[in-house]
Amino acid sequence: DQQVKQNSPSLSVQEGRISILNCDYTNSMFDYFLWYKKYPAEGPTFLISISSIKDKNEDGRFTVFLNKSAKHLSLHIVPSQPGDSAVYFCAASATTGTASKLTFGTGTRLQVTL
Amino acid sequence: SQTIHQWPATLVQPVGSPLSLECTVEGTSNPNLYWYRQAAGRGLQLLFYSIGIGQISSEVPQNLSASRPQDRQFILSSKKLLLSDSGFYLCAWSALTSVLYNEQFFGPGTRLTVL
Repeated sequence: DQQVKQNSPSLSVQEGRISILNCDYTNSMFDYFLWYKKYPAEGPTFLISISSIKDKNEDGRFTVFLNKSAKHLSLHIVPSQPGDSAVYFCAASATTGTASKLTFGTGTRLQVTL
Repeated sequence: SQTIHQWPATLVQPVGSPLSLECTVEGTSNPNLYWYRQAAGRGLQLLFYSIGIGQISSEVPQNLSASRPQDRQFILSSKKLLLSDSGFYLCAWSALTSVLYNEQFFGPGTRLTVL
């Protein structure tokens, strides 16, 4: 059962334009959401996160939007740069106990073209 | 600042051989530690997590085991590797209690190929 879904395996965007990566989840217990960026043969790098008490969080070129009623979140990158080309993973957690167990989506490969 | 190390970076092992992957964290105390696997074309699957020395929780039944002999050391092992154990293994840490509670930070990973 895939509780976090990234339905677009790949996305191509021109440099300078907006990249929008989408993520859907099914578990209503999830209360914290994160985006990670991953280059080949490297570990994922934390990008930005959002708590379920918010609907938007912004950090520089990156903005994450959360729509709890639709169980949907998205990552906006504006403007897109060639260095943004990577695989982006959406992750979600439910705050229980003392360990933050993340459930990851399958990733979206973003390619930013010149 | 905190740093997480994993070794080896790559490993090629025959079926049936043992496995030991090591992860260490610097610059923090009492971290939560995690082992993930990314199979080819798949997302990251949580294998094990630990909230303290000797405390291991397994998320999926498998051919692997984990141990935490020291506060900042996490080891992934197998007695006999299977072909299906091939993948990219990632260690991660998170703070036990803080505003970073939910945020996990990953090591560089180990590429394991079982032949």
